[in-house]
Amino acid sequence: NAGVTQTPKFRVLKTGQSMTLLCAQDMNHEYMYWYRQDPGMGLRLIHYSVGEGTTAKGEVPDGYNVSRLKKQNFLLGLESAAPSQTSVYFCASSNYEQYFGPGTRLTVT
Amino acid sequence: SQQGEEDPQALSIQEGENATMNCSYKTSINNLQWYRQNSGRGLVHLILIRSNEREKHSGRLRVTLDTSKKSSSLLITASRAADTASYFCATFQENTGNQFYFGTGTSLTVIP
Repeated sequence: NAGVTQTPKFRVLKTGQSMTLLCAQDMNHEYMYWYRQDPGMGLRLIHYSVGEGTTAKGEVPDGYNVSRLKKQNFLLGLESAAPSQTSVYFCASSNYEQYFGPGTRLTVT
Repeated sequence: SQQGEEDPQALSIQEGENATMNCSYKTSINNLQWYRQNSGRGLVHLILIRSNEREKHSGRLRVTLDTSKKSSSLLITASRAADTASYFCATFQENTGNQFYFGTGTSLTVIP
């Protein structure tokens, strides 16, 4: 039982490049979430999903897209990376409490 | 923003002392949860208190909830060096699409 896993763990992008972050959970949770964490800002919700095939915007969705084609996977895409997207990204899945992945540290230069 | 606010932002205590952190939030909630984050790691769930509960215990953790004041507190008794971490409160509201709203966190340092 791996819980929530995230790929990759680290990434450096140049401005304008694109990438996809993958989140996978093996707990059969319906709800999945993508957050970003910046110093002094806590966690801010980017997008979330309440079930396979559904997605919804969170607090800071601009510049990101998501897809939930399979229940166990939740993908976060950056189409054209900007330095403001330098952050640590966390995925979580949930029943009543959230289970977090280990995070992806992204630097955009 | 619907984020909560933790107070204090940072707390430093000696091993064996108690640590108290407070959380205030803005809207009605279904439940409030506390999480711990060790440096460089993901968050780990500690305890959940429902809106109709006033107090809950789990090991050395005690959580209180006052919905009239929209506030919660987390007490860690007999602290240990291993408790050094950041602590976050998160509110859960079903009527906002099952979103969690996290506070900005309290950084706790327990000095051996």
